[in-house]
Amino acid sequence: DAGITQSPRHKVTETGTPVTLRCHQTENHRYMYWYRQDPGHGLRLIHYSYGVKDTDKGEVSDGYSVSRSKTEDFLLTLESATSSQTSVYFCAISGTVSSYEQYFGPGTRLTVT
Amino acid sequence: DAKTTQPTSMDCAEGRAANLPCNHSTISGNEYVYWYRQIHSQGPQYIIHGLKNNETNEMASLIITEDRKSSTLILPHATLRDTAVYYCIVRVSDTGANSKLTFGKGITLSVRP
Repeated sequence: DAGITQSPRHKVTETGTPVTLRCHQTENHRYMYWYRQDPGHGLRLIHYSYGVKDTDKGEVSDGYSVSRSKTEDFLLTLESATSSQTSVYFCAISGTVSSYEQYFGPGTRLTVT
Repeated sequence: DAKTTQPTSMDCAEGRAANLPCNHSTISGNEYVYWYRQIHSQGPQYIIHGLKNNETNEMASLIITEDRKSSTLILPHATLRDTAVYYCIVRVSDTGANSKLTFGKGITLSVRP
């Protein structure tokens, strides 16, 4: 299995609080992605990174920010969590040969009350 | 991106081959066929991909018809742990930043003892 970990694995937080999810890889892959998965919506891209300090928005980026100061870490921050951000969040990585060959982390289940 | 069509569900007996079909009749010449699966409560898992030749790896085989309008993922000896939702995705393979994966509904494979 690709070396991808996510932390925390589960979190319950209150509306309005900031939350940071961490994705850590040991594969030295260039590309990293944050997705959310919700029933009826499938997998949706939030943000992605194509190198250290190089990030861009995905299709559902409102309310989220990201940072990548090191190759191995990609952080997703919810500045002020809302109930609509209750979801399962997956991090993925890919190398340079084929960016659709992505490897996913185990996911973080976030509940905003 | 070309649209894919998969049956909603199928089952097979443990130890037998599972053949999962996918139709992609509008596929373009430079689009690859990718297969992923998602076991309940886990992150999506890359299985295999191909362009026009049949491909095999330690997990599965991918058979693409000569006209490339359909493909079949073959799990040669299905086990209970192969019970999952399987996604067929058609995308242009590139290393660009817009390499988000979009999963449709997929096909639910149930392996019975």
